[in-house]
Amino acid sequence: EVQLVQSGAVVKKPGESLRISCKASGYNFATYFIGWVRQMPGRGLEWMGMIYPGGSEIRYSPSFQGQVTISADLSITTTYLQWTALEASDTAIFYCARGAIWGAPSFGFDYWGQGSLVIVSS
Amino acid sequence: DVQMTQSPSSLSASVGDRVTITCRASQDISHDLGWYQQKPGKVPERLIYTASTLQSGVPSRFSGSRSGTEFTLTISSLQPEDSAIYYCLQYKTYLWTFGQGTKVEIK
Repeated sequence: EVQLVQSGAVVKKPGESLRISCKASGYNFATYFIGWVRQMPGRGLEWMGMIYPGGSEIRYSPSFQGQVTISADLSITTTYLQWTALEASDTAIFYCARGAIWGAPSFGFDYWGQGSLVIVSS
Repeated sequence: DVQMTQSPSSLSASVGDRVTITCRASQDISHDLGWYQQKPGKVPERLIYTASTLQSGVPSRFSGSRSGTEFTLTISSLQPEDSAIYYCLQYKTYLWTFGQGTKVEIK
C-alpha cells in the first residue's frame, strides 16, 4: 500500500529555520517524483516544486524558487521541504504528493500525504 | 509557465442538478490535466486524470472532457456529499500548475 506520512504540526517564530518531512512507503521511492503543495489558510492549492529522488532533478515554481529547498534521502525514503528564515506569510498546510515516474507519461498526483501544518507567529 | 483559469470560483446548486466546472489552459497541454476534490479539513483526492479517465472508486456521476485548451468537469447529478472545492491540475509542462479552485455548495 502506497503511503506518504508527513511530519507533524509545528509552531515557529519568524526568522527561524524549519525542515518538514514526507516518508514514503509501499512503492519504489527512487522512481517517482515527489511534489510539494502549499495551501495557505482559506486559499487554494499551489504547486511549489518536485524532486526526483533517484536522480538530481529538482523543479521549483518561480513563486517558490529561492524561498524553499526541496531535498530527499533515498536511504530512508524521505523527502524534505526546508526554510532558512521563516516569515509569517509561510503559515500554511504543506502537502507532499506522488507524481510521475521518471521518463514515463505523467498522470498528476495520485497519492497525497496527510499534510503538515506550519504556523509562523511571534 | 502555463496558466490555468478556472471558473466559476463558486457555485450553488440543488441536489440532482448537473454541474459544470471549466479550466482553460494558456497553451496547449494536450490531455495532461487532472481534477481534484478537497472537502473541508481533508486531503485533496484525485477524481479524474488524462482529462477524462475516472479514478478507480470515484462515482460515475463525475466525468471530464477536453476541447482544445478547455477542460470540463461535470457532475451529472449533484449529491450532498459533493460539497467541496474542486481544482484542476495541469502536468504537461516542466512546472505544474493548479487552477484557482471552484467551491461547490448545495442549496
